[in-house]
Amino acid sequence: DAGVTQSPTHLIKTRGQHVTLRCSPISGHKSVSWYQQVLGQGPQFIFQYYEKEERGRGNFPDRFSARQFPNYSSELNVNALLLGDSALYLCASSWMKPGGPDTQYFGPGTRLTVL
Amino acid sequence: DQQVKQNSPSLSVQEGRISILNCDYTNSMFDYFLWYKKYPAEGPTFLISISSIKDKNEDGRFTVFLNKSAKHLSLHIVPSQPGDSAVYFCAASGDTGNQFYFGTGTSLTVIP
Repeated sequence: DAGVTQSPTHLIKTRGQHVTLRCSPISGHKSVSWYQQVLGQGPQFIFQYYEKEERGRGNFPDRFSARQFPNYSSELNVNALLLGDSALYLCASSWMKPGGPDTQYFGPGTRLTVL
Repeated sequence: DQQVKQNSPSLSVQEGRISILNCDYTNSMFDYFLWYKKYPAEGPTFLISISSIKDKNEDGRFTVFLNKSAKHLSLHIVPSQPGDSAVYFCAASGDTGNQFYFGTGTSLTVIP
């Protein structure tokens, strides 16, 4: 079975540009979460989407946005890139069982470098 | 404000011995905990979970212990193998399940 897939694998952008990262969840999973991991730190929560609706948002500026499509895939968009946005961006999917947390499964990540 | 802490950045263990990785949390609303293993240039791989209604969960060589009163959990790996060398993250979530908080990771090296 295919796991969580993300594209692209690597990306180099310059300050001020815009970037779109893509994620396809595990088949049958309806929830997608996005995390940012900078070097030496653990992943930090950015967004969670379930059934195309935003269910959670972390402490990130409005330059970060996301959406989920009817097939449950998702995009993360970052506008006006800053040097500090350089990080590994991770997508995780879960079934999102009602009423409680469940395990999130991660993709390989997209390494974003902002010059 | 770090709600999940892994105070040991690194740990070295001889092959065949026990590895114990520790994690502390501050938020008493956390009730679901996960451990992930991460190799360089890969995403985290799920290892084992535990709900707050339990104090222990086992899966093969991996056992997670939860001490709710101390807000502490630990991951035991027995016996440790060289392939276990990786960075281990603990993560915690509250009853909404919408957001997981991660520790900063512990780099485990298993020496052959």
